[in-house]
Amino acid sequence: DAGVIQSPRHEVTEMGQEVTLRCKPISGHNSLFWYRQTMMRGLELLIYFNNNVPIDDSGMPEDRFSAKMPNASFSTLKIQPSEPRDSAVYFCASSLVAAASSYEQYFGPGTRLTVT
Amino acid sequence: KNQVEQSPQSLIILEGKNCTLQCNYTVSPFSNLRWYKQDTGRGPVSLTIMTFSENTKSNGRYTATLDADTKQSSLHITASQLSDSASYICVVSGQAGTALIFGKGTTLSVSS
Repeated sequence: DAGVIQSPRHEVTEMGQEVTLRCKPISGHNSLFWYRQTMMRGLELLIYFNNNVPIDDSGMPEDRFSAKMPNASFSTLKIQPSEPRDSAVYFCASSLVAAASSYEQYFGPGTRLTVT
Repeated sequence: KNQVEQSPQSLIILEGKNCTLQCNYTVSPFSNLRWYKQDTGRGPVSLTIMTFSENTKSNGRYTATLDADTKQSSLHITASQLSDSASYICVVSGQAGTALIFGKGTTLSVSS
């Protein structure tokens, strides 16, 4: 298994531009999570999906952020318009079931976003 | 407020030595506690998951302990290796939901 795949690995964009981050979860996993990691705040859960349905988006910082999961093998996180404070590493993770159980979450390699 | 505090923030040890990382949490109710290892430039990788009924779990040279009464956990690394240099993150899950509370991590540097 290739693990969780994220693209791009690095993204540099100018303030105001739209940014789209992509994630392919591990085949057979039905829960998908988006996280943001910064030095100041550590890892933060943004949103998670169960069976392609968004369950909890309370971590999404503001309306500029949106996430979709059109099918079981693909999800996107979009920032429009981007701002310098969005600069962070964004991780996608997947698991067999949501994290309320003891099931493992498997993380992707992350996308390092820099907004200038 | 649900919080996870880790100490120390950073640690430098010599190869071959043992070390212990600490995690204190205030999350309630409690479901499980996880320790992750994150190498520089990579995603976190799970080391252990413990429920409230477990008080110790090992994964090779890594041993995690949990005291649900005092809300404390520790991660003990035995005979450290250069490859143990990483950030170690404690994550606590609340009950009946997927709320994961992350600590900010301990950065461990193992030198030769």
